[in-house]
Amino acid sequence: DAKTTQPTSMDCAEGRAANLPCNHSTISGNEYVYWYRQIHSQGPQYIIHGLKNNETNEMASLIITEDRKSSTLILPHATLRDTAVYYCIVRVLISNFGNEKLTFGTGTRLTIIP
Amino acid sequence: NAGVTQTPKFQVLKTGQSMTLQCAQDMNHNSMYWYRQDPGMGLRLIYYSASEGTTDKGEVPNGYNVSRLNKREFSLRLESAAPSQTSVYFCASSVSHEQFFGPGTRLTVL
Repeated sequence: DAKTTQPTSMDCAEGRAANLPCNHSTISGNEYVYWYRQIHSQGPQYIIHGLKNNETNEMASLIITEDRKSSTLILPHATLRDTAVYYCIVRVLISNFGNEKLTFGTGTRLTIIP
Repeated sequence: NAGVTQTPKFQVLKTGQSMTLQCAQDMNHNSMYWYRQDPGMGLRLIYYSASEGTTDKGEVPNGYNVSRLNKREFSLRLESAAPSQTSVYFCASSVSHEQFFGPGTRLTVL
């Protein structure tokens, strides 16, 4: 399974863009990059995923480098409610039915500063 | 929609006791998962179910059993609890590219 490397913690000022980096240098050509976050002790929440193109949704943008060895999650206007642990995950399919293994590392603890 | 629900929210067991953690989803998802999260760690997959009637082992299945009772429900059983099973347990269901997680069950084994 491809490993991911993230900074342990980051701070970001409220209202600014939060840029969370992730290294996944051993990713295979057909493996997706996923981002989830976990607010306090709640269950993780899906944010976004991508294969090789940049992606954007209502929550965030995902920038994947051309060689696919790293990516950056961007929260465009961070709010206090974005304080959470953010997990960068390389998804592995584990069945022919589309079941996936999401290997959660220790993530990046993002703190939004008022 | 309640999404994914889990019961109980908290449980304290003595070593050797058994219990079943319940999980239900109302989103008509085929796939369901059980994870555990130890303090300061990420989640690890215990078991998963691709559809009603099927279950498969994940990364850390030892000491656990599961039942996919129907499409809605996926239970996790500890037959003889050990202190090493003290953890927060999350259930999830999925469709396409997104897993939806429940609020978790915090289990302490003394």
